[in-house]
Amino acid sequence: GEDVEQSLFLSVREGDSSVINCTYTDSSSTYLYWYKQEPGAGLQLLTYIFSNMDMKQDQRLTVLLNKKDKHLSLRIADTQTGDSAIYFCAEKRSGGSYIPTFGRGTSLIVHP
Amino acid sequence: KAGVTQTPRYLIKTRGQQVTLSCSPISGHRSVSWYQQTPGQGLQFLFEYFSETQRNKGNFPGRFSGRQFSNSRSEMNVSTLELGDSALYLCASSSDPGTGNTEAFFGQGTRLTVV
Repeated sequence: GEDVEQSLFLSVREGDSSVINCTYTDSSSTYLYWYKQEPGAGLQLLTYIFSNMDMKQDQRLTVLLNKKDKHLSLRIADTQTGDSAIYFCAEKRSGGSYIPTFGRGTSLIVHP
Repeated sequence: KAGVTQTPRYLIKTRGQQVTLSCSPISGHRSVSWYQQTPGQGLQFLFEYFSETQRNKGNFPGRFSGRQFSNSRSEMNVSTLELGDSALYLCASSSDPGTGNTEAFFGQGTRLTVV
């Protein structure tokens, strides 16, 4: 199976909360990231969480980490049409190549 | 501070040709990584260069190669192009991903179409 897995699509109504989920396999992951890719653009780092944290909040974004289940989620409160993009989960492991491993990305579609 | 610049933005090539893509990292960044993004495979790591040396390599055939110059600018080359090489090629730079949590900054990518 893949190292980092995400569902491919999520559709929400404007104003609702969005929750994008990610699972990873390597328990030695030290940093876990969420990147956003808008159409025609590269990836932009949204937020990250260190593996000894359970939660991180940054304005409308909340990251939850369940290290036991190797599950990471990104919650976007009050989702806006401008949040429509592809969201990538990535992990960076201690030791090894320290190059982040990315999931395939979740396309978030926000409709009015 | 200028961001990561990739040139060209769009490229159309025919099968069997070769192509060279360029990436200029953020000033002061010494690490440059290359990724291939396709709808089917997602974001796949190609290679990483640091101080003119290839430090990490993904699982791609030898047709994919790269180099880094003394000013940290990097090029990647794909020889004998195949239709399946059509993709968005992304470059990312960072100060040094090996030293803990250093953010990778991505360029806008080069869209390569092989016909």
